[in-house]
Amino acid sequence: RKEVEQDPGPFNVPEGATVAFNCTYSNSASQSFFWYRQDCRKEPKLLMSVYSSGNEDGRFTAQLNRASQYISLLIRDSKLSDSATYLCVVNSRTGNQFYFGTGTSLTVIP
Amino acid sequence: NAGVTQTPKFHILKTGQSMTLQCAQDMNHGYMSWYRQDPGMGLRLIYYSAAAGTTDKEVPNGYNVSRLNTEDFPLRLVSAAPSQTSVYLCASRPFLRWGYTFGSGTRLTVV
Repeated sequence: RKEVEQDPGPFNVPEGATVAFNCTYSNSASQSFFWYRQDCRKEPKLLMSVYSSGNEDGRFTAQLNRASQYISLLIRDSKLSDSATYLCVVNSRTGNQFYFGTGTSLTVIP
Repeated sequence: NAGVTQTPKFHILKTGQSMTLQCAQDMNHGYMSWYRQDPGMGLRLIYYSAAAGTTDKEVPNGYNVSRLNTEDFPLRLVSAAPSQTSVYLCASRPFLRWGYTFGSGTRLTVV
């Protein structure tokens, strides 16, 4: 079983829409969770950490559900510049290694 | 700060040749990792280091690393195979539960 699984999409949404991505993880001992953004042919860049109580950064909201072992990312008022692939990341049982999902592709349409 | 610097950006290698991909960070980060990224496969962890002098292999064979100091974490392909054609990404982070900062990657083709 993969450490992290994501719906690959693609998600095609109009500007201004709200879109949500989910990601499930297999290791119940994982303690660190992140969302990364990756533009085409670029390196992944940290978007936000995911905290147990949930956290918000502008139009982006991240949630963690430990009971069901998933994390989510909500993007409100989508902009054209939000078009990218979004990767979820969880750490290993030991906490040392990080495992990445395969990414969810988002295209925001004018 | 330059962040995480990877060289070269592109390279074509012949099967059986060896090569070292360079990675350096100037942020004094203890944790460094190498990932490879292939279409439809996401990022796969190859090697991991928690500090200078320590390394931990995630996948068997074909790769070697060294971590002689905090800054540098080179990845060596011992005898390249076409299956090692990929984008190689080096990353570093300061603390156990901190996010990674990535370099811009090395696009390697083995023919």
